[in-house]
Order: sequence, then C-alpha cells, then structure tokens
Amino acid sequence: NAGVTQTPKFRILKIGQSMTLQCAQDMNHNYMYWYRQDPGMGLKLIYYSVGAGITDKGEVPNGYNVSRSTTEDFPLRLELAAPSQTSVYFCASSYVRDPTEAFFGQGTRLTVV
Amino acid sequence: GEDVEQSLFLSVREGDSSVINCTYTDSSSTYLYWYKQEPGAGLQLLTYIFSNMDMKQDQRLTVLLNKKDKHLSLRIADTQTGDSAIYFCAGGYQKVTFGTGTKLQVIP
Repeated sequence: NAGVTQTPKFRILKIGQSMTLQCAQDMNHNYMYWYRQDPGMGLKLIYYSVGAGITDKGEVPNGYNVSRSTTEDFPLRLELAAPSQTSVYFCASSYVRDPTEAFFGQGTRLTVV
Repeated sequence: GEDVEQSLFLSVREGDSSVINCTYTDSSSTYLYWYKQEPGAGLQLLTYIFSNMDMKQDQRLTVLLNKKDKHLSLRIADTQTGDSAIYFCAGGYQKVTFGTGTKLQVIP
C-alpha cells in the first residue's frame, strides 16, 4: 500500500515551459486535491476532484489544469510556467466521510527560472 | 466555505507546554483537525475533534474547542525537539480547508 505517490520530487523549469505533475493513490479515495505551499505560507487549494471525471477549481486555479480520468490518478498540468508558480506542490486524497483524513504525498518542489 | 487562521510562529523551550491557536469561520464543520508537517514532508493527521465536543485528550496532546468563539487550540505537554514542525488546523465538511500553519520551534 503506497498511499499517495507524487512524481517528480524536484523540477526546474524555464519560463514558458510546460510540465505535468503526477499524482496517484491506491486507497480508492473519492476526493483528490492539489495544493501549493509557498515559503512561510499555508496551503492553497489549486484544484480538487470528487471522483473520476469531475474536477473543480480551488482558490488559485489560474495557470493550471487538471484531469481525473481514473479514480487513482490526478495529474496537474502547468502550460506556460511563470516564476510565480515556484512553490512546493502537494497532492492529497481522502474518503468522502467524516472524519475526513487527508493523506498527502511527499511533495514536488518546482522552481521556475 | 471555511476560512481558517493561525499565528505563524511559536517558540518554546524543551519540556514546556506549547499552545497553538486557530480561529475558523464555518460552524458547519463536523470535525476539526490538527495536522503536522515535518521538514521536507507532506502533512499527516495528528488528531481531530468532533464539533460537539469541548475537549479531547490524546497522550501529550489536548485539543480544546470553543464553538461560541470559533476557536480551536492544540496543547502539547512536555514539548520535545521532535515536536518541531509546522502545525495546521483544518476544518470543513468533506472538502477540508487548511489554515496557514504555525511553525513550532523547540529550543533545547
């Protein structure tokens, strides 16, 4: 049981490049989330998904896209990387129930130069 | 939706008690949570409290909930250097909203 797996762990992008951050969970969780964590700041929700085929915007969706074709996978796409997207990105998943324990991946540290 | 606020930083001496505070806006949250983030890692659930409870104790951790003031606190007794981390409170129904996090520094 791997939990939530994120790849890559680190990445440096040039301005204007594109990339996809991968996230997979093997716990059959309905909900999946993408957060970004800027230095000294809390988590900001980028996008979330309540199940395969359903996604919705969080607080800071601009510059990102997601898809959820399967229950297990929730990739995050950056189309035109900007320095403002330099951050640590966390993927998480949870069951739809109370209490809701969110399980987090180890994070992807992205630097845009 | 939920809006959750915390102070950014707390410094305590090893062996003292730590109290981390949090205020929230959405009173419909069924549960409120405390997560811990160690350096270079994701968040992990530390403890939670049902919204109808005032207090929950779990070994060195005590969670206090004041529903009237929408105030949640986490007390860590006998704080150890291994407790140094960022602590996030969180709330919400199904979709959980996280606070800004409080960085706890434990001085030996």
